[in-house]
Amino acid sequence: AQSVAQPEDQVNVAEGNPLTVKCTYSVSGNPYLFWYVQYPNRGLQFLLKYITGDNLVKGSYGFEAEFNKSQTSFHLKKPSALVSDSALYFCAVRGGFMDSNYQLIWGAGTKLIIKP
Amino acid sequence: NAGVTQTPKFRILKIGQSMTLQCTQDMNHNYMYWYRQDPGMGLKLIYYSVGAGITDKGEVPNGYNVSRSTTEDFPLRLELAAPSQTSVYFCASSFNSASGGGETQYFGPGTRLLVL
Repeated sequence: AQSVAQPEDQVNVAEGNPLTVKCTYSVSGNPYLFWYVQYPNRGLQFLLKYITGDNLVKGSYGFEAEFNKSQTSFHLKKPSALVSDSALYFCAVRGGFMDSNYQLIWGAGTKLIIKP
Repeated sequence: NAGVTQTPKFRILKIGQSMTLQCTQDMNHNYMYWYRQDPGMGLKLIYYSVGAGITDKGEVPNGYNVSRSTTEDFPLRLELAAPSQTSVYFCASSFNSASGGGETQYFGPGTRLLVL
């Protein structure tokens, strides 16, 4: 069965420091991996995705994520955090074509708090 | 280009009442989705549609119904509201090709529903 784990409910980072939000997954076949961000009382916004190719994916607002097939991970990173990055971050995965039908499996979310 | 719009933004229902959550997209996307978001649980797929006239159940369809008569609209119907349906509901859309799988989903702002 497909699954996604975001092991940290909350991550606290000081402004200007690097940040990492962790995501691990379990799917059959090659994964399609996504990161979305949700600001308070808003819908989810797409940040970046991995489909194929370079393991390091760059996305919106200076975020990037690294696909690691051997560790089945897709951690979200940013070199220097901003207070405005404070939000709820979701990792999602879809398995190979034999799995589901374009249905994404979502992690529970990680609350990122950036302190000034 | 408004993207994905949802109405209402907030609604209080009494147990046993019914209502329809409206969702419209103006991006000519073929796929549309309804999710519910419960605290600490991530997103759960309720129903999805791959095109006008075609709908299918997601992970948590009980207590809900959908229809897709046009490409643009994908309403979600609650027939007999129950407290367990208290949640935030998100509609999303994407353009999925036959050979795809990594398509980005675009989300509406959400409808907050309270069943008392």
